[in-house]
Amino acid sequence: LAKTTQPISMDSYEGQEVNITCSHNNIATNDYITWYQQFPSQGPRFIIQGYKTKVTNEVASLFIPADRKSSTLSLPRVSLSDTAVYYCLVADTGRRALTFGSGTRLQVQP
Amino acid sequence: DSGVTQTPKHLITATGQRVTLRCSPRSGDLSVYWYQQSLDQGLQFLIQYYNGEERAKGNILERFSAQQFPDLHSELNLSSLELGDSALYFCASSVGQGSPYEQYFGPGTRLTVT
Repeated sequence: LAKTTQPISMDSYEGQEVNITCSHNNIATNDYITWYQQFPSQGPRFIIQGYKTKVTNEVASLFIPADRKSSTLSLPRVSLSDTAVYYCLVADTGRRALTFGSGTRLQVQP
Repeated sequence: DSGVTQTPKHLITATGQRVTLRCSPRSGDLSVYWYQQSLDQGLQFLIQYYNGEERAKGNILERFSAQQFPDLHSELNLSSLELGDSALYFCASSVGQGSPYEQYFGPGTRLTVT
């Protein structure tokens, strides 16, 4: 299975930019890297996905270096409602099985 | 509301029993995924079906099985239940069979094995 590593937790204040990195190896060469947000007792919610370089949507940016051994989710100007757990999702090379990262618990304070 | 429905919402059963969890994907989605989330294991991928066929398998126990029916709904069968099977079980769906994996998750079924 692919191996992923994420920081267990991060703290931030409202209005700050938050960057969460996921390290991943043995991932499928041609597959996208995807990030999800999860609130307590809810299913994960799709945030953003990318294959390489930088992708930006209305809520986040995703940076993926050329070697694709990591990816960084960037949340600009976080608010209290961004307090949640954030997961990266990658696919294993060959087996097509999916691996979620262990999750990063983001706590945003006023 | 993601458009993915799961039933039942809660399930309490005893060790050794068998249960069936049901999932209806979003309209138009052909892939269904099953995940297990327990406190100490995070989100674990179990299995994926695409248009009725098994497409990918994670570390799913032999006591667990799943299928996707012609109307695209899916069922996850858990048998010979153990205390450690207590967890939240999520179903997700997506349009395609592979990457990108923009999945839509249901609200989950909370299984408690006593």
